[in-house]
Amino acid sequence: QKEVEQNSGPLSVPEGAIASLNCTYSDRVSQSFFWYRQYSGKSPELIMSIYSNGDKEDGRFTAQLNKASQYVSLLIRDSQPSDSATYLCALHGSSNTGKLIFGQGTTLQVKP
Amino acid sequence: DTEVTQTPKHLVMGMTNKKSLKCEQHMGHRAMYWYKQKAKKPPELMFVYSYEKLSINESVPSRFSPECPNSSLLNLHLHALQPEDSALYLCASSHVQNEQFFGPGTRLTVL
Repeated sequence: QKEVEQNSGPLSVPEGAIASLNCTYSDRVSQSFFWYRQYSGKSPELIMSIYSNGDKEDGRFTAQLNKASQYVSLLIRDSQPSDSATYLCALHGSSNTGKLIFGQGTTLQVKP
Repeated sequence: DTEVTQTPKHLVMGMTNKKSLKCEQHMGHRAMYWYKQKAKKPPELMFVYSYEKLSINESVPSRFSPECPNSSLLNLHLHALQPEDSALYLCASSHVQNEQFFGPGTRLTVL
């Protein structure tokens, strides 16, 4: 089992819809979770971090964490074509080294 | 200043060349990272420096040699690379064990 699993997609949603991106992880000790957005040919950009169970909202983005189910998600409300990108789920492993463990990424396509 | 900068943006080198990639941050971060990213794959950690000391080397071949001259600068020295080393090289920085912020990357092509 991979440490961080994401559906590679592509996930296609119409403009204005809610995009739901999901991530599961295997290490129960993980405490810090991150979502990065990466446009084609560009570097990853941190868009959300979440450390405790529940929801965290920032503008059109909501991150959800459920440590009991080892599940973290990212919701994008009112999706725009400019949201089309690859979304990488990442977490700090249990080794306390600061090492980030990435999922394979989910490609989101928002169609006008 | 809230960004990580990297130079050069693009680099083409032969297998016998020696070149260096440079990274700089002025956010007061004391952890800096080098990642390698191939197309359609997530970033792959290469090295971590924490308080200017190398804390993680992910079994990277010796043709890649990192250096951290001070808390703001990180270099990656390249020598005798192979064509399969062509990739996007990303630098990142963070407060120790905190959110990592990536630079724009250097697109490396080895001929």
